[in-house]
Amino acid sequence: GAGVSQSPSNKVTEKGKDVELRCDPISGHTALYWYRQSLGQGLEFLIYFQGNSAPDKSGLPSDRFSAERTGGSVSTLTIQRTQQEDSAVYLCASSPGTGRQPQHFGDGTRLSIL
Amino acid sequence: DAKTTQPTSMDCAEGRAANLPCNHSTISGNEYVYWYRQIHSQGPQYIIHGLKNNETNEMASLIITEDRKSSTLILPHATLRDTAVYYCIVRVAHYGGSQGNLIFGKGTKLSVKP
Repeated sequence: GAGVSQSPSNKVTEKGKDVELRCDPISGHTALYWYRQSLGQGLEFLIYFQGNSAPDKSGLPSDRFSAERTGGSVSTLTIQRTQQEDSAVYLCASSPGTGRQPQHFGDGTRLSIL
Repeated sequence: DAKTTQPTSMDCAEGRAANLPCNHSTISGNEYVYWYRQIHSQGPQYIIHGLKNNETNEMASLIITEDRKSSTLILPHATLRDTAVYYCIVRVAHYGGSQGNLIFGKGTKLSVKP
């Protein structure tokens, strides 16, 4: 079945470079979340999209982070001028909507900043 | 901070039932109990959720106490592939914004042994 797909699965880049991470949610899911998970830590909420509403960006750690969701489907998370502390696994989740619907996660992008 | 308390680790023999407890003594009336698990190098996998009634699906059963202050996830016949970290999360049935994001605690590391 088609779950949440994220690409690339691994990304290694030099400090100061920009990176773009992609998330393909489950077809028909209107809600999309980005989280990040640092080594041995819990999930940190980054940003939330729901349909055509303005995204909730309250979890973005700095203005170097941005995300967009085109056509209500695919989402990209962009990190500009990467820093070593940005190294983490970036996870995307989608759900059919709001209410009590569970979120379904992709396997993440493991980002390593050298 | 997570609103749940779980044992740090548990062992289970292959083929036996695994019973994972979770305390959520401050749960509100409109908060659901969700269970996820995370196998090494994969994204969190949704297992089951419930409000107050016991729930069962193809993966597991969820038993919630009458006062809703605790719950137990039951894997009826554990296999080696069930070795993972299991997370118990409480969350409102949200209708927008970051209140819908999941807050993962430390979870329980379940080791299924042959």
